[in-house]
Amino acid sequence: NAGVTQTPKFRVLKTGQSMTLLCAQDMNHEYMYWYRQDPGMGLRLIHYSVGEGTTAKGEVPDGYNVSRLKKQNFLLGLESAAPSQTSVYFCASSIYRPDGRSGMPQHFGDGTRLSIL
Amino acid sequence: KNQVEQSPQSLIILEGKNCTLQCNYTVSPFSNLRWYKQDTGRGPVSLTIMTFSENTKSNGRYTATLDADTKQSSLHITASQLSDSASYICVVSVDSWGKLQFGAGTQVVVTP
Repeated sequence: NAGVTQTPKFRVLKTGQSMTLLCAQDMNHEYMYWYRQDPGMGLRLIHYSVGEGTTAKGEVPDGYNVSRLKKQNFLLGLESAAPSQTSVYFCASSIYRPDGRSGMPQHFGDGTRLSIL
Repeated sequence: KNQVEQSPQSLIILEGKNCTLQCNYTVSPFSNLRWYKQDTGRGPVSLTIMTFSENTKSNGRYTATLDADTKQSSLHITASQLSDSASYICVVSVDSWGKLQFGAGTQVVVTP
């Protein structure tokens, strides 16, 4: 019962470097999401996907790109890292969209802690 | 300004005591309100989900209430345990698609 697995768990980058965060879920969920969590703020949605091959922008998409080539994987890319992207990144998945009629929860991974110097 | 405000920001309680956390939201309309528990270094885990027509929902020692008229919710923890030490996050579904607005959380510390 792995659920949602994020790799890596920790990473330190230098400004301008690029990297990809990987999210994998084994629950056959259609919907996947990337959030960032900063001190004193709620989680903010970066990008999301409503199915394999689809992606959409969330609340704070600038500086990030995503891909969903396989249903179980959702990748978050930073092309040119900036100190403002220092954060904890969470991936989540859900079987349905999170509106009232489904009432189904999102399942979160344990996060990737990213520091950009 | 965040559309979901939580109070207090943090609190310390003795093991075995009860506590109540507050959530006020300005999102309108909304379809559901959730409470999540986030342990240090872990991802959030769902505790309760309530639609706008529900006014209470329980999950073990956790009881959430919702007043859609005043746009307030509370999470009551009964007979707290050390394992209840965590951040508790209030989340509101903000639109017809259901994108979620997260509060900043209330940090609860349970001491022996």
